[in-house]
Amino acid sequence: DTGVSQDPRHKITKRGQNVTFRCDPISEHNRLYWYRQTLGQGPEFLTYFQNEAQLEKSRLLSDRFSAERPKGSFSTLEIQRTEQGDSAMYLCASSLGSGDYNEQFFGPGTRLTVL
Amino acid sequence: AQKVTQAQTEISVVEKEDVTLDCVYETRDTTYYLFWYKQPPSGELVFLIRRNSFDEQNEISGRYSWNFQKSTSSFNFTITASQVVDSAVYFCALSVDQAGTALIFGKGTTLSVSS
Repeated sequence: DTGVSQDPRHKITKRGQNVTFRCDPISEHNRLYWYRQTLGQGPEFLTYFQNEAQLEKSRLLSDRFSAERPKGSFSTLEIQRTEQGDSAMYLCASSLGSGDYNEQFFGPGTRLTVL
Repeated sequence: AQKVTQAQTEISVVEKEDVTLDCVYETRDTTYYLFWYKQPPSGELVFLIRRNSFDEQNEISGRYSWNFQKSTSSFNFTITASQVVDSAVYFCALSVDQAGTALIFGKGTTLSVSS
């Protein structure tokens, strides 16, 4: 399987706990994106990496959220002190990032439930 | 600011009917990109098509066709002879950055095709 993969697929946690999600992009893609999708809504952009550099962050990304992409390969998204409002599907996407516009290809998502 | 509106929340059709999903976008940028993604019950977003703002040619791919009209800021998607497997949530999205950063999604249209 050469698509975008995410782990875990589901996470249930108690309010106040920290959680970390992982995304492995398509191997030759140097751009990586995180989105959040709540029920009945379209995905909302959170942040974006070009190789290991985090180039853009949405105002949706509060101080409790941090994303990293060490060595420009996989990425992690950590949420500290989770709140019930953080319950959502967290989607990762990747793209080639060279030449003309490159489509973003999405992973299956990590569904977070905060109790 | 950019915005994507999908006014149809849910559409139900019977197999073999044709169905059109509407998408209206807002942007002041002269260069932009429009997309359609499909999200089946499994949850993974599947890329369907990208159009550039300078290319208003309509496109047909099998049973799918797209009508891009800059005059009405619309990018509508038609499925001909719908099938049960077309049942999914369909998202229209907009990007104004050639570097390919944030996609701005509409809220999606849920299409249900019954046999």
